Amino acid sequence: DTGVSQDPRHKITKRGQNVTFRCDPISEHNRLYWYRQTLGQGPEFLTYFQNEAQLEKSRLLSDRFSAERPKGSFSTLEIQRTEQGDSAMYLCASSPTVGTEQYFGPGTRLTVT
Amino acid sequence: AQTVTQSQPEMSVQEAETVTLSCTYDTSENNYYLFWYKQPPSRQMILVIRQEAYKQQNATENRFSVNFQKAAKSFSLKISDSQLGDTAMYFCAFMKQPNNAGNMLTFGGGTRLMVKP
Repeated sequence: DTGVSQDPRHKITKRGQNVTFRCDPISEHNRLYWYRQTLGQGPEFLTYFQNEAQLEKSRLLSDRFSAERPKGSFSTLEIQRTEQGDSAMYLCASSPTVGTEQYFGPGTRLTVT
Repeated sequence: AQTVTQSQPEMSVQEAETVTLSCTYDTSENNYYLFWYKQPPSRQMILVIRQEAYKQQNATENRFSVNFQKAAKSFSLKISDSQLGDTAMYFCAFMKQPNNAGNMLTFGGGTRLMVKP
């Protein structure tokens, strides 16, 4: 297993466009997290899945954001009608049911022009 | 809600020297975990060290150790014998007692550490 992967690594889009990111967690990790990291800041929690169920959402996750994890495997994060303030690194992490360590992916850097 | 504060935006240290990164946090929880994560330039974040709040003994991982002061809500990271590969952003993070509602991490703003040859 090569760890958590994210695709794409970089995305440049124009304001108002929709974008979708994908995260593939470590096999058999049933917990999956999305975080957002703006330049020079620490990551901020967005949402959490246990298997296919989305159990927690941050207030940061506006109505323009939606996340899914069909079949409890990979996850997608979609941002509709992007705004310049959405420019950030979007990090995905996964963890097993037991234990506290979260394993992070390389992130998707979004630039909204 | 929990908050994590790292008061040192940037630090530098000479190779082979020792450096200490500071972190304070605020919580009303009694059971929780604290972490230091390392984010090297253009690479993914990895766990450096973890401390359970119920343990009085400070955690140690090779050259990395923590000074955990629960009453003061302080959690500093000491890196001994600094190496060039230690150059990275370091994030202090807090996690409440894990449950089915999720183990989300609350991060501090980070400290950029540069190890100089």
